[in-house]
Order: sequence, then structure tokens, then C-alpha cells
Amino acid sequence: QVTLRESGPALVKPTQTLTLTCAFSGFSLKNRGMGVSWIRQPPGKTLEWLARVDWDDDKYYSTSLKTRVTISKDTSKNQVVLTVTNVDPVDTATYYCARSRLYDIGGYYLWYLDYWGQGTLVTVSS
Amino acid sequence: DIQMTQSPPSLSASVGDRITITCRASQMIASYVNWYQQTPGKAPKLLIYASSNLQSGVPSRFSGSGSGTDFTLTIGSLLPEDFATYFCQQSYASPWTFGQGTKVEFK
Repeated sequence: QVTLRESGPALVKPTQTLTLTCAFSGFSLKNRGMGVSWIRQPPGKTLEWLARVDWDDDKYYSTSLKTRVTISKDTSKNQVVLTVTNVDPVDTATYYCARSRLYDIGGYYLWYLDYWGQGTLVTVSS
Repeated sequence: DIQMTQSPPSLSASVGDRITITCRASQMIASYVNWYQQTPGKAPKLLIYASSNLQSGVPSRFSGSGSGTDFTLTIGSLLPEDFATYFCQQSYASPWTFGQGTKVEFK
């Protein structure tokens, strides 16, 4: 059974660094074709993909946030960590982690997000 | 970044209706589109991947189609639990991007 759970502070002050942890079970980030992504959703708005780390430690980032976001994995602990530096009230959102899985469509490959954590609401306010 | 334009932003429907949601990509993305359903206060749930493949456990009243720039999600006959918000997402190129969402409401 695949599960993911996000943890981190509920309230962060502007200019601080936000650190979120995704603890997962039921799969391994050592296996080819596996990854973990972070996605956020401001209240009442759409989803925004932030970053992904893959089984081979390749990392990918949002264009608009790549100077402030870092993703890392600890395969021994089955955890993925996201840091967001210099936060602002516009970073207030529910933050989700999700398993990213690579699917072979007869020779070419597509990623999708098949399991999600419950999300954690982070408010940025002084 | 690839833009995903979803329409309509909302629609009103009744139980038993057939509905279609569309998503248009700003460039050709083959079949690299996934669809998700989100109910209030919950995480999104994967419905369709690679444009037309039904995720395991998802009812067959959900279907997807399209290739290139135009994609559709169809619900064949709405049930009460289908009133939710639906998002398309492209994974053709990083950064991945989502549509703005379509909220399906009771008429």
C-alpha cells in the first residue's frame, strides 16, 4: 500500500526558509521509474507543480521558483525534503507531495502523479 | 513553459448528464496529458493518464481522448460523487503545468 505524508510548520514568517518533509511507504526511490514531486495549491486556486526528484537523483524545478526551491531525497529514510527560501505571503498554500511514476507508452515515456499525500497548509504571515 | 487552457471554468449539470471538459495545450504535446479529480478539502486523485488510459479503480464512465494540442475528459453519466473540480496536467516537458480547473456543480 502506497502512502505519503507531508509534515512541516503551519506558520512561517516572511523572509524565512520553509522546510517540508514527505515521508512515504509502499515504494522505493531506488527503483527505476519512480520519483516524488511537490505541488502546491493556494486557497481557491489551481495546482502548481514545484519540483521533482527521481530514482537516479535527477532533479527538476518550476521555472518561476527554481532560484528559491531545493528538493532532496533520503532513500534510507524514505523521505523527500523541499526547502523554499525567502518566503512571502503569496507562498501561502496547501503543499502536497505525490509519487511520480514513469509509464512506458510503447517506446516513449510519460510521467504521472498516481498517489498523493493529504497535504499540509502553510501560512506565511508576520 | 507550456500553458494548459481548460474550459469551461465551471459547469452546472444534473445526475445522469454526460459532460465534457476540454484542455488545450500551447504547443504540441502528443498524448502527454493526465486528468485529476479533486473534492473539497481532499488531495487530487488521478483519473486518466497518457490522454486515454483509465487509472486502476476509476469507474469506466470516465474517459479521455485527444492528441497534439486538444484533449477532452468525458463523464458518461454523472453520479453524485462526481461533483468535483477536474484538472488537466501536461508531463511532456518540465516544468509540468496544470489547467485552471473545471468545477462541476449541481444544476
